[in-house]
Amino acid sequence: EADIYQTPRYLVIGTGKKITLECSQTMGHDKMYWYQQDPGMELHLIHYSYGVNSTEKGDLSSESTVSRIRTEHFPLTLESARPSHTSQYLCASSEGGLAIGEQFFGPGTRLTVL
Amino acid sequence: GDSVTQMEGPVTLSEEAFLTINCTYTATGYPSLFWYVQYPGEGLQLLLKATKADDKGSNKGFEATYRKETTSFHLEKGSVQVSDSAVYFCALSPAGTSGSRLTFGEGTQLTVNP
Repeated sequence: EADIYQTPRYLVIGTGKKITLECSQTMGHDKMYWYQQDPGMELHLIHYSYGVNSTEKGDLSSESTVSRIRTEHFPLTLESARPSHTSQYLCASSEGGLAIGEQFFGPGTRLTVL
Repeated sequence: GDSVTQMEGPVTLSEEAFLTINCTYTATGYPSLFWYVQYPGEGLQLLLKATKADDKGSNKGFEATYRKETTSFHLEKGSVQVSDSAVYFCALSPAGTSGSRLTFGEGTQLTVNP
């Protein structure tokens, strides 16, 4: 079944640790995105990719980095986690091309940095 | 820059009540407009969309009309159900970006009581 997956769903980690949040999609989509969702629900785009070896920063500045080596995989890395990184992170994907496409979202990773 | 403003929440209704969630936007040209819904513990799902002025998006009894003159995209449903309890997000995608680069509103928490 075509879907978008995120692991882990929940992560509690200490300050200074390096973490990678995984995102994979089996829909063959070219475009992928990472959003940060505040506790108050608001979402902000932090990274996006239009294809392999393409990554761009989004509207909200983030200390995280991303890579896109394979079409289906778009991991997000924090080199040194801090309490200010505590948030929910949502991954999404959509088709390429010029059509107005729906973004499909994963279930999210809720990160807590102590 | 582009922005989306939603009515303040949370909203609490009784089953079968009429629902309106207001959404207004600021953007240049003709953006695409979306309503996404987030059920507890899940990622976002597209509820409906409209890509040009006067378009009406509809799905699952929900409707929204793209009003260029008032820069609005209000969400309505004639008779809500308990299962409609969720967070609703209005979003826009700038003209020419094929549904990418979504800018979200703050989200509106809807609770429907039996």
